Amino acid sequence: AQTVTQSQPEMSVQEAETVTLSCTYDTSESDYYLFWYKQPPSRQMILVIRQEAYKQQNATENRFSVNFQKAAKSFSLKISDSQLGDAAMYFCACRHSGNTPLVFGKGTRLSVIA
Amino acid sequence: DGGITQSPKYLFRKEGQNVTLSCEQNLNHDAMYWYRQDPGQGLRLIYYSQIVNDFQKGDIAEGYSVSREKKESFPLTVTSAQKNPTAFYLCASSTTPNYGYTFGSGTRLTVV
Repeated sequence: AQTVTQSQPEMSVQEAETVTLSCTYDTSESDYYLFWYKQPPSRQMILVIRQEAYKQQNATENRFSVNFQKAAKSFSLKISDSQLGDAAMYFCACRHSGNTPLVFGKGTRLSVIA
Repeated sequence: DGGITQSPKYLFRKEGQNVTLSCEQNLNHDAMYWYRQDPGQGLRLIYYSQIVNDFQKGDIAEGYSVSREKKESFPLTVTSAQKNPTAFYLCASSTTPNYGYTFGSGTRLTVV
């Protein structure tokens, strides 16, 4: 069974600074996918970034990037130039190949300080 | 525009009553999922369906039931057997594993 662990229940960052959210996962599969979702106060889940396990290159999406360490089973999210709109719950998730369900971590609440 | 619609946004239930949460998608996605979200618990899987007329239990299926008679629809019934149903419920769909989910906007269920 897969497990996803987010060890930081809450984090805060100054506006314009950089913050890194941690995520570790455990799976016995070799083919899997990793995701970061953002949930703002509206509670709408928004995909931030995704990573295929077979790709060595770390994914980037504008100010968001990941540090994917496959051997360590680590998938951290870096947010650069933090903005007030980045304040939200962030969930790390993992799924195997096929339309199997995503397994989510418990989330990290990010606050952005003006 | 294609998307996934959950209704109602807020739902109140008296103890002992069954209630059904609606989830409809027009994305032509094969797979659909129901999750429950509680503070500090993340998202926990209730049921999922990878194809019409078939569904599987998730980690917390007790007290819930689902049906998948049409590709577009995956309603969730919260039965009176669910002892603590007050929560935020999220429905999602997907077509290929590498693109993750499309989520609905959620239903907040409160037992009164």
